[in-house]
Amino acid sequence: DIQMTQSPSSLSASVGDRVTITCRASQSISSYLNWYQQKPGRAPKLLIYATSNLQSGVPSRFSGSGSGTDFTLTINSLQPEDFAIYYCQRSYSTRALTFGGGTKVEIK
Amino acid sequence: EVQLVESGGGLVQPGGSLRLSCEASGFTFSSYWMSWVRQAPGKGLEWVANINQEGNEKYFVDSVKGRFTISRDNAKKSLYLQMNSLRAEDSAIYYCARVNAGSYSSYYYYMDVWGKGTTVTVSS
Repeated sequence: DIQMTQSPSSLSASVGDRVTITCRASQSISSYLNWYQQKPGRAPKLLIYATSNLQSGVPSRFSGSGSGTDFTLTINSLQPEDFAIYYCQRSYSTRALTFGGGTKVEIK
Repeated sequence: EVQLVESGGGLVQPGGSLRLSCEASGFTFSSYWMSWVRQAPGKGLEWVANINQEGNEKYFVDSVKGRFTISRDNAKKSLYLQMNSLRAEDSAIYYCARVNAGSYSSYYYYMDVWGKGTTVTVSS
């Protein structure tokens, strides 16, 4: 099974900062990676699919990149509403839509 | 409005069974793969199971294989998760999610609609 590893597991940042979260797959998943945001007590929300496609309604300060085994979620100019947990997910096959362990973005 | 509403969660003893339901509205349910995703208290997201549009292709995470069954009723626009031989480690919020798809050189999948979840607690 392909494992998804996110780093860091948590980070502290200030409003206006640029934040980068990394997701690494244990083997190549081509360009098929999704990113989700989850706030406390809420269901996850899709941010980016297939590595770099912004879901409708998601602010353009969110962007994704990568291929193969290494992927990145970038948040430009962090806003107060962006403090949350972010998860990556392999999206290549419906046999296993595995999530990464999550990255908590906290206020510095 | 596109919506998924889960139900059926509750408190069950170890070894017991529970059936979760997810009712869809606002979209053509029969056109989509569907998923169950769970989240144990204070933990991350864990994909549990997928089912295709016709209900004849199903996949499960290893930890629930042989204990959980996923099914759907397209006429009722409903998704189900039958959970048997429940263990304490199955305690979690269970989310129903719609699986959308696209393609480049091959297909990719993403969960674009989520329910609010239903809580399952396995405890004596």
